[in-house]
Amino acid sequence: AQSVTQLDSQVPVFEEAPVELRCNYSSSVSVYLFWYVQYPNQGLQLLLKYLSGSTLVKGINGFEAEFNKSQTSFHLRKPSVHISDTAEYFCAVSDGRSGYSTLTFGKGTMLLVSP
Amino acid sequence: DVKVTQSSRYLVKRTGEKVFLECVQDMDHENMFWYRQDPGLGLRLIYFSYDVKMKEKGDIPEGYSVSREKKERFSLILESASTNQTSMYLCASSSTGIGSYEQYFGPGTRLTVT
Repeated sequence: AQSVTQLDSQVPVFEEAPVELRCNYSSSVSVYLFWYVQYPNQGLQLLLKYLSGSTLVKGINGFEAEFNKSQTSFHLRKPSVHISDTAEYFCAVSDGRSGYSTLTFGKGTMLLVSP
Repeated sequence: DVKVTQSSRYLVKRTGEKVFLECVQDMDHENMFWYRQDPGLGLRLIYFSYDVKMKEKGDIPEGYSVSREKKERFSLILESASTNQTSMYLCASSSTGIGSYEQYFGPGTRLTVT
């Protein structure tokens, strides 16, 4: 069975500061990893994904994440945040063994950007 | 662009009512999913379907059923709504194939059961 742990439920940060949202996973097989963002009263939108290849993955809105197999982590980073980045962020994992692409989600991290 | 639509953004129902939540996707995706989202619990999978008339239970299927009569449409049914089913419900879809594991989400339906 897979699981995802997002270590921080809430991360407050000032505008233009760097931010890192942490995600650790557990799985007995190779995994595919995702970060989604949810703005208030909206559905989830894909930020970025790791399927294979380079462990540094770049996504939309200036976000990037690094896959670290030895530490089973997939932390999300942005060098300078904006007020508009205030949202909830979800890390998710799929083992890809079936064609169903079921995802296991973490409990989410609320990023609060203040002026 | 992939589009997943849900029939209602907000819904208020009474305890004991039968509730239907509808989801439609326009990208010919094989897989469709229903989640519920609650504060502090993240997204939990209720049911999913990998083909027309096929369904699989997710992590929390109790109190719910689903129907998929057409490829583009996936319905979530609350046979007898209860107050503990007050939640945000999210529908998603994905295609089948190597490298296509991402899911596309609808805007969600916020259901209140009184």
